[in-house]
Amino acid sequence: NAGVTQTPKFQVLKTGQSMTLQCAQDMNHEYMSWYRQDPGMGLRLIHYSVGAGITDQGEVPNGYNVSRSTTEDFPLRLLSAAPSQTSVYFCASRLPGTASYEQYFGPGTRLTVT
Amino acid sequence: AQSVTQLDSQVPVFEEAPVELRCNYSSSVSVYLFWYVQYPNQGLQLLLKYLSGSTLVKGINGFEAEFNKSQTSFHLRKPSVHISDTAEYFCAVSPPGGSNYKLTFGKGTLLTVNP
Repeated sequence: NAGVTQTPKFQVLKTGQSMTLQCAQDMNHEYMSWYRQDPGMGLRLIHYSVGAGITDQGEVPNGYNVSRSTTEDFPLRLLSAAPSQTSVYFCASRLPGTASYEQYFGPGTRLTVT
Repeated sequence: AQSVTQLDSQVPVFEEAPVELRCNYSSSVSVYLFWYVQYPNQGLQLLLKYLSGSTLVKGINGFEAEFNKSQTSFHLRKPSVHISDTAEYFCAVSPPGGSNYKLTFGKGTLLTVNP
């Protein structure tokens, strides 16, 4: 199993540009989440999904969109990038219910908005 | 709402010394507690978790943590650290039960192990 994969690893955007951060998992996990990590702030939840077709907002959702058309994929879209979105983005997944409480994290995407 | 406070942003120690990384949480309901480790330029990896039962939990790489309900703490300990333990450590909480997809993280503690 590849686990949780994220692409790209690095990205530089200009203010106002749009892009999609890709996240995929091959563990058949129904729960998937996006976090952003900023220095001294820990990780903060952006959006999450409990299954295909079901998404909801986390702590810091503004400026980001998500959709979940398949169990495997959970892309994060930036419609109009802003310098405040410069961050490291992590995707995570886990099994539903009480089977396991471990969230598996991808390697991250480092995004810089100039 | 839940919150997590990691009391030390940086902890430098010498190799083979013991270490304790402190974590306090705030919640109006019971919680599940986790410690994650992030090695440089990598994603997060679960070290250990407390769901219920024994308040002393053991994790990978020789780490352990003790849940103290009265002090709302979940401190991480290792009796003898190695250079390879240098990493950032995050304490996290979630609601109990199957809906723990919403983790709330602390701001992290950077552990630096010096020779």
